[in-house]
Amino acid sequence: NAGVTQTPKFQVLKTGQSMTLQCAQDMNHEYMSWYRQDPGMGLRLIHYSVGAGITDQGEVPNGYNVSRSTTEDFPLRLLSAAPSQTSVYFCASSYSRQGNQPQHFGDGTRLSIL
Amino acid sequence: DQQVKQNSPSLSVQEGRISILNCDYTNSMFDYFLWYKKYPAEGPTFLISISSIKDKNEDGRFTVFLNKSAKHLSLHIVPSQPGDSAVYFCAASATHVSFGAGTTVTVRA
Repeated sequence: NAGVTQTPKFQVLKTGQSMTLQCAQDMNHEYMSWYRQDPGMGLRLIHYSVGAGITDQGEVPNGYNVSRSTTEDFPLRLLSAAPSQTSVYFCASSYSRQGNQPQHFGDGTRLSIL
Repeated sequence: DQQVKQNSPSLSVQEGRISILNCDYTNSMFDYFLWYKKYPAEGPTFLISISSIKDKNEDGRFTVFLNKSAKHLSLHIVPSQPGDSAVYFCAASATHVSFGAGTTVTVRA
């Protein structure tokens, strides 16, 4: 029972490099989202998807792209890494977007941009 | 501008006593409130929630209280156990879910 799986767990990048953070869920959840966690800021929504082929921006989308070609996968792409993107990134999924649906989180990707 | 605030970054409590975590919010459109628990190197896990039409929800040792007029909610853990040592996030849902910055709870033996 894997739940939400994120890879890699750790990554160090140089400024200007690009990379993709992977996220997969095996619960057939329609709603998936990406958050970043920074000290003193809580979790902030980057992008979200309400189903395959549908994505939208969250609170802090600049510098990130997403796609949702299948129900299971929701990768997050950093286009040109900047030191301000150093953070811990969490992917989450839930049955629906409704507020009473608890989200299931992956264990996070710790990303450092030098 | 943070819509959900947890003003106490940390809380230390003795095993067996009550832990009270507080959360304030500004958006009156929030319709559900949730608490998540997070251990180091793991993702947050759902703990308990409450609808905006309720004022209390209880699940075992965990009780959440909602005071809509004060835009305030609290999580009570009774009795506190060593395994409760974690970071607790308050979250509120409207169009999206907004999270507080978290409170680190340490339960002392």
